[in-house]
Amino acid sequence: GAGVSQSPSNKVTEKGKDVELRCDPISGHTALYWYRQSLGQGLEFLIYFQGNSAPDKSGLPSDRFSAERTGGSVSTLTIQRTQQEDSAVYLCASRTQENTEAFFGQGTRLTVV
Amino acid sequence: KNQVEQSPQSLIILEGKNCTLQCNYTVSPFSNLRWYKQDTGRGPVSLTIMTFSENTKSNGRYTATLDADTKQSSLHITASQLSDSASYICVATPGDNFNKFYFGSGTKLNVKP
Repeated sequence: GAGVSQSPSNKVTEKGKDVELRCDPISGHTALYWYRQSLGQGLEFLIYFQGNSAPDKSGLPSDRFSAERTGGSVSTLTIQRTQQEDSAVYLCASRTQENTEAFFGQGTRLTVV
Repeated sequence: KNQVEQSPQSLIILEGKNCTLQCNYTVSPFSNLRWYKQDTGRGPVSLTIMTFSENTKSNGRYTATLDADTKQSSLHITASQLSDSASYICVATPGDNFNKFYFGSGTKLNVKP
């Protein structure tokens, strides 16, 4: 696609439920990032995928968070047993291996009630 | 510790006025610095990028400066427009890991008519 696409745009879920957030990166971009942005805060790194290398999971805040990237393209961020503090905008970004510019999706706004 | 700090946190100016946003970084070794614009409800979009050897870079009414000695950058917006209302985020990339980005918490700019 022309840009990074994320779905859904908005998600409201009950506390304790699992959610899946999807990211379609720009075609041909080998690197993919997930960030979390809480209200009024900066971007918090969650996880990074680069080609076939093992992902950098150092930013995941707890074992309730996991992410996959299938076939080097689409990525899914899964949050299990959601908590109210998980409420935030989850941003996905992708880039080529050669360029440090990361292109962001519009984000998924997650609200846990 | 690699960090990026921005000031002010928020700024209100009248349409047509100029403003300057500040970014201080401690990322070392340093590779490049980007300024992103994030409209409400959207993902960040890159405005400028500067490597350590560049002092200034312009993109329309946006001019970024970089002083690699003092580790400071600024984003100057000339003749502000209502559409400039957004958050402006400073991002530094270290020279020893191009996969890593250090984000500032952003400056929220509000341009009033």
